[in-house]
Amino acid sequence: EDQVTQSPEALRLQEGESSSLNCSYTVSGLRGLFWYRQDPGKGPEFLFTLYSAGEEKEKERLKATLTKKESFLHITAPKPEDSATYLCAVHAGANSKLTFGKGITLSVRP
Amino acid sequence: DSGVTQTPKHLITATGQRVTLRCSPRSGDLSVYWYQQSLDQGLQFLIQYYNGEERAKGNILERFSAQQFPDLHSELNLSSLELGDSALYFCASSPRHGGNTGELFFGEGSRLTVL
Repeated sequence: EDQVTQSPEALRLQEGESSSLNCSYTVSGLRGLFWYRQDPGKGPEFLFTLYSAGEEKEKERLKATLTKKESFLHITAPKPEDSATYLCAVHAGANSKLTFGKGITLSVRP
Repeated sequence: DSGVTQTPKHLITATGQRVTLRCSPRSGDLSVYWYQQSLDQGLQFLIQYYNGEERAKGNILERFSAQQFPDLHSELNLSSLELGDSALYFCASSPRHGGNTGELFFGEGSRLTVL
């Protein structure tokens, strides 16, 4: 069974304090790894897709990277508006479903 | 705004009752996915439909059922409700039948509270 573990569960940063969120996965036949952002009371919003080890994607202050066992979401000089829950998901094998981690709740203090 | 519409936004009901959650996908999207989100379990895949046909099934209880209609909207029926069914139920859509793009467009969810 596909497994996705995200750490830490929660992270509090000062504005401008860069950090990384971790997503470890155990799957058979990774077809893609995805990052989503979820604000309170909202549905998840797609951020990135990564398909193979070594791949990187960037968007504003966020950069996602992928290895054969984990992915990192690096946040550079975060702002309070980056506060949200960040979800990692994998697509593996012949299934069409995504398996999500439990998420990392990021809080950025001004 | 993702373009996916879910109703109702909030629903409070009693144990043993039955409810129906409705989802309208983005215009042109043929796939609809249902997910359940609870504090302890995270987002759990329930079921997927593509152009009216069931394509994949996840951890969906026998008390739950879903369908996708010819106009592509979908309904999730939850019956014999238990306290543990209280959760956020999300619908998501995508233009493809496979999840290989991973880019799902989620609605804002229906919050179900079972008392």
